[in-house]
Amino acid sequence: KNEVEQSPQNLTAQEGEFITINCSYSVGISALHWLQQHPGGGIVSLFMLSSGKKKHGRLIATINIQEKHSSLHITASHPRDSAVYICAVNFGNEKLTFGTGTRLTIIP
Amino acid sequence: NAGVTQTPKFRVLKTGQSMTLLCAQDMNHEYMYWYRQDPGMGLRLIHYSVGEGTTAKGEVPDGYNVSRLKKQNFLLGLESAAPSQTSVYFCASKPSGSYEQYFGPGTRLTVT
Repeated sequence: KNEVEQSPQNLTAQEGEFITINCSYSVGISALHWLQQHPGGGIVSLFMLSSGKKKHGRLIATINIQEKHSSLHITASHPRDSAVYICAVNFGNEKLTFGTGTRLTIIP
Repeated sequence: NAGVTQTPKFRVLKTGQSMTLLCAQDMNHEYMYWYRQDPGMGLRLIHYSVGEGTTAKGEVPDGYNVSRLKKQNFLLGLESAAPSQTSVYFCASKPSGSYEQYFGPGTRLTVT
């Protein structure tokens, strides 16, 4: 069965801390996505990657194809980073399979 | 460009009532999707379309119907709403040749 698992489910940290959110998947993929959803808000795509590493501002996404694992890192975290972060995967087709999300809260 | 829009943003229905949710995109995307998001669960695919005039079932299609009469619009219908359909519904679209999906703002539906 094609599955996506995220950890942790909830994460609370102090402003300025380095944040890591993990995503693992069951079988080979075509692409992996990191999405952000603010409370009561819509869903925004942060990264799409199939290999290596991508960086945008304070956000970094990495993927290890052999280990079937991806991480999303946030450096110098800020309260505005508080959101739900969702990992989603294309298992070789045009449909996405989603993780259950990680709720991140950054305390000032 | 407005991107992906959804109408309405909020709706309360009584059990047994019907309604249609509208998704519109102005990016000329071929693919469109309807998802539902429930607490503690990942987004789940209800129905999707790979082009005008086509539709296909996703993971949780029961109780829903869809139509894609125009390329830019994807309609989700509930013929007889049930409390189990209380959820937040998201529409998304993507172009051919890319895996990146663009999401609408969501519709919060409550069925009492």
